[in-house]
Amino acid sequence: GAGVSQSPRYKVAKRGQDVALRCDPISGHVSLFWYQQALGQGPEFLTYFQNEAQLDKSGLPSDRFFAERPEGSVSTLKIQRTQQEDSAVYLCASRTGIQETQYFGPGTRLLVL
Amino acid sequence: GENVEQHPSTLSVQEGDSAVIKCTYSDSASNYFPWYKQELGKRPQLIIDIRSNVGEKKDQRIAVTLNKTAKHFSLHITETQPEDSAVYFCAASIKEAGTALIFGKGTTLSVSS
Repeated sequence: GAGVSQSPRYKVAKRGQDVALRCDPISGHVSLFWYQQALGQGPEFLTYFQNEAQLDKSGLPSDRFFAERPEGSVSTLKIQRTQQEDSAVYLCASRTGIQETQYFGPGTRLLVL
Repeated sequence: GENVEQHPSTLSVQEGDSAVIKCTYSDSASNYFPWYKQELGKRPQLIIDIRSNVGEKKDQRIAVTLNKTAKHFSLHITETQPEDSAVYFCAASIKEAGTALIFGKGTTLSVSS
């Protein structure tokens, strides 16, 4: 079946612009995670949803980062007033409510100039 | 919180040799340990995982071992092939739903023919 998809795959933003990154999880997956992967580093946790509820947002680096999943399926990560340090690959992952395996999307590579 | 250390950061082997990547974790509550392979510009893909009630798991040329007492786990790749070249990440989490994966910084494996 279809895996996790993300769009756009690449985004170039000028410093100060707002961006919105989309994640389509695997159909039926209850849990959805956002991670940030800086160049040459492992993914770092940003936030977690169970269905439409955002249960953990402890990894969001600042209040400029906002995520939602209003209908418990598609999720959007929004970054307001982007800064150069926001440049990274943003990965989305989903899993069922039972099995532990997280399936990753291809990521959105964000470059802030 | 959990912290995962991964070594080495780079590993170069000849085709047919074995490769070993080691990780340590800090939180004794962690009970799920996946390994992901990430090729350049691609999504992380799960290659093998182990749960804390198991000491070793094998899948063809790949094996993972876990020492809960020492909080160590390792990835072993035998008979390496050029297509094994990639970045490998270990991770740790608590397998109940809602717990993020905590990743190591990655190991860049290069297999030369």
